[in-house]
Amino acid sequence: DIQMTQSPSSLSASVGDRVTITCRASQSISSYLNWYQQKPGKAPKLLIYAASSLHSGVPSRFSGSGSGTDYTLTISSLQPEDFATYYCQQSYGTITFGQGTKLEIK
Amino acid sequence: QVQLQQWGAGLLQPSETLSLTCAVYGGSFSGYYWSWIRQSPGKGLEWIAEINHSGSTNYNPSLKSRVTISVGTSKNEFSLNLTSVTAADTAVYYCARVSRFPIIVVNYWGQGTLVTVSS
Repeated sequence: DIQMTQSPSSLSASVGDRVTITCRASQSISSYLNWYQQKPGKAPKLLIYAASSLHSGVPSRFSGSGSGTDYTLTISSLQPEDFATYYCQQSYGTITFGQGTKLEIK
Repeated sequence: QVQLQQWGAGLLQPSETLSLTCAVYGGSFSGYYWSWIRQSPGKGLEWIAEINHSGSTNYNPSLKSRVTISVGTSKNEFSLNLTSVTAADTAVYYCARVSRFPIIVVNYWGQGTLVTVSS
């Protein structure tokens, strides 16, 4: 299996901050990388697909980048509704997810 | 609007078989893969299996020996069976729709079913 490692595991930030979350794959995944947001008690929601493409309806403050083994999710200006847990997911091999990054209010 | 509604037993004893069903409302059943994904505090999100409308399947190798995914006779339902459950199978189980273009993404999810394995 391709292992996905996210960092940090948790992050405290304030409304208006710029935040970056990193996801590293155990081998090159050629941009077969998606990002999801999950709020407590809810299913994950797709934010970014193919490393950098914004899913329909997702605010433009979310962006993704990366290639090879290293990928980032950036939120340009945190809004109150963005405090949640974020997961990366690769589909280059058998689907696997990162362990999650919990974004909390400072 | 695509909606996935799932149901099944929430409390199992060790060695029993987990059975869940997911009904798909709105959108097309064909042209997509339909998946089961689980989430536990210990292992996070774990993809289990997927199936398309014609019955073509893919399984997570780590679970393959115990898992069966199938399409229902109504053709807008699919099901998961997981045999010989243990406490390690305690998790929230989600059904989901998988799109494969341009890459594989999970873009619709069911509401989740908490399955607890305990004696």
